Amino acid sequence: DAGVIQSPRHEVTEMGQEVTLRCKPISGHNSLFWYRQTMMRGLELLIYFNNNVPIDDSGMPEDRFSAKMPNASFSTLKIQPSEPRDSAVYFCASSAAGTMAAGEQYFGPGTRLTVT
Amino acid sequence: TQLLEQSPQFLSIQEGENLTVYCNSSSVFSSLQWYRQEPGEGPVLLVTVVTGGEVKKLKRLTFQFGDARKDSSLHITAAQPGDTGLYLCAGATQGAQKLVFGQGTRLTINP
Repeated sequence: DAGVIQSPRHEVTEMGQEVTLRCKPISGHNSLFWYRQTMMRGLELLIYFNNNVPIDDSGMPEDRFSAKMPNASFSTLKIQPSEPRDSAVYFCASSAAGTMAAGEQYFGPGTRLTVT
Repeated sequence: TQLLEQSPQFLSIQEGENLTVYCNSSSVFSSLQWYRQEPGEGPVLLVTVVTGGEVKKLKRLTFQFGDARKDSSLHITAAQPGDTGLYLCAGATQGAQKLVFGQGTRLTINP
């Protein structure tokens, strides 16, 4: 079975450009999570969805970041405009747990974003 | 704000040695998970502990949840080079889906 799929795997862009990261969760999973990982701050939750609905976006750094989940098999994380401090590895994870418990999260391979 | 502190942050030991990694918090968690992450990949779940005092074993790895459900430890016996990686603990509170991750322990096992 395919795991969580993320694209692109690597993205290099210039400051001010728009960046869109994509995620396809595991089929049948009803929760999707976007994380950012850096050496300084570790793994941080940005936003998560239940049944395609955003539940908690308190981790989104600022208005430059936005996330959507138009259907159960696709989500995007957009940064506009991008800044050098956004450079990090961005992970998408999905879970089949119910809405009242934290179950196993399956992570994708990540997108390494470099903003110059 | 719930925080999970892991120690040590870095550990480099020789093959065959034993080691323990700690995950501590002032908050109570309903469950705690341990993940291992290898370079260029996402974290992979190793175990979930849910009961205070619970001990789980996964081959040479032993996981323990503190009695008060505020801390956890991971003990590796006879470490092997294949155990090298970033070990992350993650806690969840009652009724919540989201996980709070520790900073991780970067473990290197030298042949």
